[in-house]
Amino acid sequence: NAGVTQTPKFRILKIGQSMTLQCTQDMNHNYMYWYRQDPGMGLKLIYYSVGAGITDKGEVPNGYNVSRSTTEDFPLRLELAAPSQTSVYFCASSYSGGYGYTFGSGTRLTVV
Amino acid sequence: AQSVTQLGSHVSVSEGALVLLRCNYSSSVPPYLFWYVQYPNQGLQLLLKYTSAATLVKGINGFEAEFKKSETSFHLTKPSAHMSDAAEYFCAVSDANAGGTSYGKLTFGQGTILTVHP
Repeated sequence: NAGVTQTPKFRILKIGQSMTLQCTQDMNHNYMYWYRQDPGMGLKLIYYSVGAGITDKGEVPNGYNVSRSTTEDFPLRLELAAPSQTSVYFCASSYSGGYGYTFGSGTRLTVV
Repeated sequence: AQSVTQLGSHVSVSEGALVLLRCNYSSSVPPYLFWYVQYPNQGLQLLLKYTSAATLVKGINGFEAEFKKSETSFHLTKPSAHMSDAAEYFCAVSDANAGGTSYGKLTFGQGTILTVHP
């Protein structure tokens, strides 16, 4: 019973590099989300998906991209990494809109 | 637009004392509200949620929260703090509401770090 699995747990990128943060869930949830957490700022929504093939922007989508080809997987792509993308990234899933989230354990990303 | 304000970025209590973490929200419709807890270097865990049923909501680990529409508040309480309660707590409001279309998007407060002293 894995829940939401994120990889990698830690990553250091150089400015201009690209990477994909992986997220997979085994609960057959249709709703999936990506948030970033910065100290004292709470969590901000980057992208979300309400089912395979359906994605939309959240509050802070610039510099990121997503895809949802299967119910289980919701990878987050960073293109041309910038220091402002240094953050902790959380993936979450939910059964439906009114339910709470199940969060992954996070990916700590540093861009230098 | 929805928003959440958590009053006090740091709260410190003694073990056995009352815990009170404050949350005020802004929403144009009756909201769904949540409290999450985050232990160091971990993801967030759902403590409790309000979805328009009983206004007093009980959660895990002895926590509860009361929805007060007139005050637009959803404060989190625990009668007696334990050392293991030390963590960061987040209040969140959902775009979901009873009878409406929702994508389950959450707007989070800034977080409150709870410290428990022996």
